[in-house]
Amino acid sequence: DIQMTQSPSSLSASVGDRVTITCQASQDISNYLNWYQQKPGKAPKLLIYDASNLETGVPSRFSGSGSGTDFTFTISSLQPEDIATYYCQQYDNLPPGTFGQGTKLEIK
Amino acid sequence: EVQLVESGGGLVQPGGSLRLSCAASGFTVSSNYMSWVRQAPGKGLEWVSVIYSGGSTYYADSVKGRFTISRHNSKNTLYLQMNSLRAEDTAVYYCARVRFGALFDIWGQGTMVTVSS
Repeated sequence: DIQMTQSPSSLSASVGDRVTITCQASQDISNYLNWYQQKPGKAPKLLIYDASNLETGVPSRFSGSGSGTDFTFTISSLQPEDIATYYCQQYDNLPPGTFGQGTKLEIK
Repeated sequence: EVQLVESGGGLVQPGGSLRLSCAASGFTVSSNYMSWVRQAPGKGLEWVSVIYSGGSTYYADSVKGRFTISRHNSKNTLYLQMNSLRAEDTAVYYCARVRFGALFDIWGQGTMVTVSS
């Protein structure tokens, strides 16, 4: 099974900061990686698919990059409404695949 | 409006059964891949099961042989029949549409299942 390792597990940043989260796959998954945002008490929301494609309606301050085993999710300028837990999800092996353990983002 | 609404969660004793429902609107369940994803309290997301548009079904090893995913086409509803429930099945259960067979693009609000005596 493919394992996904996210880091850090938690992160504290100030409004306006650039925030970066990484996700590492245990084997090559090409660009088969998605990113989700989950606010407290809410369902997850798809932000980025195929490693770097922004889902319709998602603000452009969110971006993703990477391929193979190493991926990065970036918020270019942190906003208060971005407080959430972020998850990566690989789909190299289907059925729909493994989630990372999540990164909890807080405001400093 | 495209949405999913789950129901059927609750408190059940270990070894018991429960059936979750997920009513869809704005799209056709039978024309899409549909999935269940769960989240134990304070934990991350865990994929549980998927049903393909052609009817094939797949399960996580943790629920294989105990859970059954199905759909009712005329009701446009997805189900998850959960038998032989264990304490570790306690979680919020989300239904989700699977776009391109690979990404969860529409989610329900979730329904809580608690397995406890």
